Amino acid sequence: DIQMTQSPSTLSASVGDRVSITCRASQTTRNWLAWYQQKPGKAPKVLIYEASTLETGVPSRFSGSGSATEFTLTISSLQPDDAATYYCQQYNEYPWTFGQGTKVEIK
Amino acid sequence: EVQLVESGGALAQPGGSLRLSCTASGFNFSNYEMNWVRQTPGQGLEWVSNISTSGRRALYADSVKGRFTISRDNAKTSLFLQMNNLRVEDTAVYYCASGRFCADGVCNTAAYFQKWGQGTLVIVSS
Repeated sequence: DIQMTQSPSTLSASVGDRVSITCRASQTTRNWLAWYQQKPGKAPKVLIYEASTLETGVPSRFSGSGSATEFTLTISSLQPDDAATYYCQQYNEYPWTFGQGTKVEIK
Repeated sequence: EVQLVESGGALAQPGGSLRLSCTASGFNFSNYEMNWVRQTPGQGLEWVSNISTSGRRALYADSVKGRFTISRDNAKTSLFLQMNNLRVEDTAVYYCASGRFCADGVCNTAAYFQKWGQGTLVIVSS
């Protein structure tokens, strides 16, 4: 199975800050990687797919980059509504696997 | 409006069975592969199972293989998960989620989970 490792586990930043979350895969996922945002009590919501493609309706302050085994989700200017847990997920091969999550808190 | 609505979650005893359902609306259900994804309390996400658009092909995580069965009824735009021989570690919120779009026998590469239901809670405890 492809293991997905996110860092950091928790991140605290101020409104307006630029924040980045890293996701590392134990083997190549090519570009078949998605990022999700999950708020408490809600289902995950896809933000980015194919490593860097913004899902329709997602604010442009979210961006994804990377390839093969290392990927980054960046929020260019953190907003209060961005407080959530973020997960990466590979869909290059079964079983599809998720990272353990990164909790983003607003200072 | 796209909607996926899960039901069937409940308290079950170890070794027992449950059947989860997911009813879809607002999109062409029969053109999408479908998935079950679960989230254990306070923990992360785990993909459980995937089914092809026709229902003829199913894939499972090792943790549920031989115990869970995924199925679908395209006429009723519904997805199911039959869960047998339940274990305490199956306790989780179960989500149904869309997968790849397929038409005329060809599926796109977008296997990520674009559409999600609100989830249904399964608790396995004696």
